[in-house]
This record gives sequence, C-alpha cells and structure tokens, in this order.
Amino acid sequence: EPEVTQTPSHQVTQMGQEVILRCVPISNHLYFYWYRQILGQKVEFLVSFYNNEISEKSEIFDDQFSVERPDGSNFTLKIRSTKLEDSAMYFCASSESSDPTDTQYFGPGTRLTVL
Amino acid sequence: AQSVTQLDSHVSVSEGTPVLLRCNYSSSYSPSLFWYVQHPNKGLQLLLKYTSAATLVKGINGFEAEFKKSETSFHLTKPSAHMSDAAEYFCVVSGSYQKVTFGTGTKLQVIP
Repeated sequence: EPEVTQTPSHQVTQMGQEVILRCVPISNHLYFYWYRQILGQKVEFLVSFYNNEISEKSEIFDDQFSVERPDGSNFTLKIRSTKLEDSAMYFCASSESSDPTDTQYFGPGTRLTVL
Repeated sequence: AQSVTQLDSHVSVSEGTPVLLRCNYSSSYSPSLFWYVQHPNKGLQLLLKYTSAATLVKGINGFEAEFKKSETSFHLTKPSAHMSDAAEYFCVVSGSYQKVTFGTGTKLQVIP
C-alpha cells in the first residue's frame, strides 16, 4: 500500500539554525500538508499546498516557515531560524483532492529538537 | 468555524471489555469526520471516516463510529478491547480546502 514517507525521523539542531524537513507524498496525490504536534499538545495545522502554491496557512506559519516542492516527488518544510519553541513532531500529509471527504494520509513524522 | 472536543483525555479498560471514546464536534456545514490512531513513536493511521453516507461507519481492527447529527457526536467504539489497541486516538473534522481540526486526543490504556 502506498504511504507517505518523511526524513529524517529525528533532527536535532541548535537555536538559530535552518532546518529542512522532507516528505515524499503518495505519488498520485495533489494536495500536501504540514502539521505539528508539540509534546503533550494537540496536532496543529500549519499549511496546505497545491499546484506549487500555498492554499491555506495557519497563524503559526509565519515568515520563518516556507514550503516547497522542489521536484516531482519531494515536499519540504523549511524553518529559517529555529527557536526553542519549534521543538515538536512535524507530520506531512497528502490527499488526492481538496474535497473535505477525502482522506489525508499522514507520514510517520519528524521529531525536531531545538537546543 | 469548526471545532472538535474529545471528552476524555485518558480512558482505561480491561482487555476483552468494550471501548468507548467520545467525540463532539461543531461545524457550520455538513462535516467530514475521521478517527486516527497514533501508536507510540508512530505516525497517524486512519481508523475510519464519515462522509455523509451511512451514519454507522466501520473501520479497521473492529472499530466503528456512529455519526449522530442531533447530538453532534461521533463516538468511537469497539466491542472487545485488545492489548494492541493501547494508543492515542484523535477525532478530526475536515472543512473547506481540507483544513482539518484535530481533537486533543484520548489515550487508551488496556489492562490485561
């Protein structure tokens, strides 16, 4: 069964450094998403992406964040200058369409630790 | 606007007894509702979803959920808990442009 993959599984970085989290969505999916889950808190929507553009973003997704689909398979989340509070599990997801009934398939997550 | 409330942060059941995880939602339109499960150090796996077809939805691993519009609920049930069901469960509502809202999660403990 096709699945969303994410690399790395765990990333440790120093405060102020840039990080890039990578995702490979399911191949025939057109819509891509990033979520984060701070330890002990709920999963929060960050951004959705379609046709090389951001469709929607939350208040969390400020200028420090950016997303990109650099080639036909990868979907990346970049954090320019990490803060301690960026430490969280980051989930990538993809879906075939933007229909609310369509399932989003989630990757296993990348645990980001900012020191 | 949409929101999801999971009424219990922790539920503990004995193996072989029924499971009930409660979820209430609010949405300004007909919602799509999902239950996801997260095992320790794993990603989010879809258990089942409601998309305005049958109100009783069957999912994987013997779970099912019933959509009750009058009660704005979408509770998750299973007749008999198994040790492998121990995990965190998230109720999710999906809106326009696939913006989903997660509940705060319910940790299910299964006691042998």
